[in-house]
This record gives sequence, structure tokens and C-alpha cells, in this order.
Amino acid sequence: QKEVEQNSGPLSVPEGAIASLNCTYSDRVSQSFFWYRQYSGKSPELIMSIYSNGDKEDGRFTAQLNKASQYVSLLIRDSQPSDSATYLCAVLGSYQLTFGKGTKLSVIP
Amino acid sequence: EPEVTQTPSHQVTQMGQEVILRCVPISNHLYFYWYRQILGQKVEFLVSFYNNEISEKSEIFDDQFSVERPDGSNFTLKIRSTKLEDSAMYFCASRPQGVAQYFGPGTRLTVL
Repeated sequence: QKEVEQNSGPLSVPEGAIASLNCTYSDRVSQSFFWYRQYSGKSPELIMSIYSNGDKEDGRFTAQLNKASQYVSLLIRDSQPSDSATYLCAVLGSYQLTFGKGTKLSVIP
Repeated sequence: EPEVTQTPSHQVTQMGQEVILRCVPISNHLYFYWYRQILGQKVEFLVSFYNNEISEKSEIFDDQFSVERPDGSNFTLKIRSTKLEDSAMYFCASRPQGVAQYFGPGTRLTVL
């Protein structure tokens, strides 16, 4: 059974701070990893993908991947109240995505 | 920017009734998926569809479920005899040749 684990939070950070979200996965052969943002009552919105070890930056977002440790993280710099949402880590299997339960982020103005 | 669309946004049905949830994937995408999310729980994979056939399905996707691509644009999920535990948000997703999947807005299914 492939598992994706995330700290459910809530994670509260002040506006302007860095939010750090973490994820571990069980399937060693996984190659593709994604972060989705989900606002309450809405669908998952893709914000980052990462396939290689190391860091990948896109605007205020940085994804980090360490396949040896089976660990993926997402950093959000200069956090804004509009970033308040649940962040879902997802790992691609042969066809399907396996999601974690998500970490709820609250950015305090 | 092209988006996945889904109809209806909310479907209420009686237990034992059949429902059909509809999706229009992004036009140049080749792979189609259904996921569901029970309130407060994880997003769960149901089925993937490529080249007019199911490529993978989960344990959830039993004989009560079916998928179809009746024409060049629509992708449907049918639940033949709904149960209370089928109440959830159902998300359609699609992707092009790459691996990233893009989700529609979802259909909230309520089974009474």
C-alpha cells in the first residue's frame, strides 16, 4: 500500500514569513511529485511539480526533493493571507496520484 | 487558459438511484481520471482512462461504477445504485503527454 504522510497542522505563520510544509512517501520507486493547493470546498490546484533531487523554485514557491530520504517539502516565502489553504502532497504511481491528507496553512495578517 | 469543467456542481440523489457525473477534459489532453474526496478525508483515486479504455482502477471502483467517453469531448462517471457512503466530492482530472494532472471544480454528490 503506497502511503503519503503529511502533518495535518494547522500550521500558522505570520504574514511575510516563510511557511515550510513537509511530506514523506513510502514507495521508493516513485519519480514524480506534486504539490496541490486546495481551498475549502474547492478542487486541488497544481502549484508545483518536482522530479529530480534538489530544489525547484517558482516565484514564491520552492519545492525540495530528497529521494534517498523519501522526503518532499514546499517552502512558501513572503506568505500572504491568500496562501491560507490546505496543501496536498501527491506522488505519481503507474497512472494514479496518491495524495496525503494535506497540511492546513493559516497565514495571520 | 483551458480548464477541466464538470457538471453538475451539486447532485442530490436517493439511495439506490443511478447518477451520471459529467466532465469535459482539456481539449488536447489524452489521459483522464476520476478521483473522489469524502468530507475531511484524502483525495482518492478511482480510475484512469486512456485510448478509450480503463488503464487502472482502484479497489473503490467496483461493479457499481463505470466510465465512458461517449464523444470526443465528454468523459462520464456512472454510479449504478448509489449508497450513502458514495456521498463525496468527485473530481475529474486530465493530463497531456506530461505527468501533471489538472483537476476540474468537482461535483458534490449527496446520497440521501
